[in-house]
Amino acid sequence: AQSVAQPEDQVNVAEGNPLTVKCTYSVSGNPYLFWYVQYPNRGLQFLLKYITGDNLVKGSYGFEAEFNKSQTSFHLKKPSALVSDSALYFCAVSQTGANNLFFGTGTRLTVIP
Amino acid sequence: NAGVTQTPKFRILKIGQSMTLQCTQDMNHNYMYWYRQDPGMGLKLIYYSVGAGITDKGEVPNGYNVSRSTTEDFPLRLELAAPSQTSVYFCASVLAGYNEQFFGPGTRLTVL
Repeated sequence: AQSVAQPEDQVNVAEGNPLTVKCTYSVSGNPYLFWYVQYPNRGLQFLLKYITGDNLVKGSYGFEAEFNKSQTSFHLKKPSALVSDSALYFCAVSQTGANNLFFGTGTRLTVIP
Repeated sequence: NAGVTQTPKFRILKIGQSMTLQCTQDMNHNYMYWYRQDPGMGLKLIYYSVGAGITDKGEVPNGYNVSRSTTEDFPLRLELAAPSQTSVYFCASVLAGYNEQFFGPGTRLTVL
């Protein structure tokens, strides 16, 4: 069975500092991994995905994520946080070839001016 | 393209009432999904469809029904509303062979 863990409900970071939002996963076979962002009263927006290839994936708005197979992790990162990055971030996983996603519980990122 | 649209945006139901949440996509996506989002619980899959005429249960299907008569529309039906169905409901779609799901803006449902 697939599962995703986002160990931090809340992450606070000062504007201009690097940010990391953590995600670990469990899935049979090779995973497809995703990050989505949700702004208040909005649907989820796709940020980036890992399917295969380079372990460092670059996505929208300057975000990137690193796939680490040995640690079964897919942490979201950004070198310099903006106040506008404040939102709810979801990590999701699916099995290879499947379209159904399993989501983590979300991490609320607050960037402090 | 309008993408994925959902109606209504908000709704308050009394226990035992029924309603249909509408979802439409204009991207010719094969796959469509219904999720519910409860505070601190992430998104849970209710039902999904891989094409017109084909639907299947997700993690939390009890109390809901769906149909997929066209590629564009994937309505979610609540027959006997219960307080446990108070949630935010999201519809999503994706093209077969791709992985990025596109989400609608959500429907906030309260059952009192």
